Order: sequence, then C-alpha cells, then structure tokens
Amino acid sequence: AQSVAQPEDQVNVAEGNPLTVKCTYSVSGNPYLFWYVQYPNRGLQFLLKYITGDNLVKGSYGFEAEFNKSQTSFHLKKPSALVSDSALYFCAVNYGGATNKLIFGTGTLLAVQP
Amino acid sequence: DTAVSQTPKYLVTQMGNDKSIKCEQNLGHDTMYWYKQDSKKFLKIMFSYNNKELIINETVPNRFSPKSPDKAHLNLHINSLELGDSAVYFCASSHRTGVDTQYFGPGTRLTVL
Repeated sequence: AQSVAQPEDQVNVAEGNPLTVKCTYSVSGNPYLFWYVQYPNRGLQFLLKYITGDNLVKGSYGFEAEFNKSQTSFHLKKPSALVSDSALYFCAVNYGGATNKLIFGTGTLLAVQP
Repeated sequence: DTAVSQTPKYLVTQMGNDKSIKCEQNLGHDTMYWYKQDSKKFLKIMFSYNNKELIINETVPNRFSPKSPDKAHLNLHINSLELGDSAVYFCASSHRTGVDTQYFGPGTRLTVL
C-alpha cells in the first residue's frame, strides 16, 4: 500500500538555526512527492514538489527538499528558520495513478522560537 | 482574486440536519477535490471530479454527495449530519489529473451539535 510517514509530531528550532522536517514514503512505483504548509485556521499552501530530475528541489519561502531514493525520504529543509515559519507541515505522495490522488502524512508542527 | 474559495467558512448545525458546502475555483482547472481534516489534523481525500465526472470516490458514508455543475464548481451535500462529521472540509483543484499540484481553498469548519 502507498503511504507516507512523518515521524515527528513536533520540531522545535531556534530562529536563525537550520531546520529539517522529515518525511519517508512507501510506494510501489515512482514516487511523486509534495510538501504543503498549513498556517493556523488557513488552508494548505503548496511549497514544493519532486516529480523527476534533480534530487534537490527548491520551493517557496526559502524551503528546499532532497529526494533520496535509497532511503525513501523527502526531508524538508531551510538554512535559517524564521518565527513566521511556525506552522503545520504536511508531506504527501502521489503514486502516479491517473486520478492525482494524494496521500498525506500526519503532519509535523514546526515551532520556531525567537 | 481568490483562486479556490469555499462558502461558508464556518457552519454550525444540529444533528440530523442537511447542509451544503460550496466550492469555486477561478484557475481554469479541470479537476476538483474534497478533503476532510479531522480533529487530529489528519487529511483524507473524499471525492474528486474531472470535467464534471467523478473519478475518486473514497470510502465515505453515502450521506455525503458531491455535485459538480460545471468545471469551476464542486459542492458537497451532507444529509442527516452526525457528530462525527464535525471537521474541516477543504476543497482543492488542479489543472488536470495524473500528477499535478493541487491548490487548496481556505476550508469550511463544520460543527455538528
């Protein structure tokens, strides 16, 4: 079965420090991976995606993610965290079916302390 | 300029009532989706329409019925509301099916009393 896991419910980081939000996936075919962010009482905003090509993907707001096929991971990173990055982050996988069905992870709450 | 909009933003109702949530997108997309986010923030796809044709129909009680009058609109009607239906419902759209980025609306918080 296709699945995606976010092993950390919460990540705490000090402002200015690098941040990593982890995501691992399990799919039977080629994985197509997405990161979304949800601010309090808001909808999900698209950050970035990996479809094919360069394993390092750059996205919105200075975020990037690295696709690692051998470790089946797609961790979200940012070199220097901002307090305004505090939000709920979702990893999602589309296993390439015709329906564009996304399977979401359970979410990771990022808390950036000033 | 809102790309994907939903009405209402908040919906409070009694058990047993019937209610509808409306979604509109002005992105010119062909595909629209409904998701449910529960109290633990878990997101799950419910339905998807492509060019007014139902293409995803997950295991959802048949009290939930989506309707797509045209490509830009996807409504969700819920009959005989139950306490467990309380959640945030998100609409999303994408240019096409296959593998494509989905863009989400602001959500509708449904509370069933």
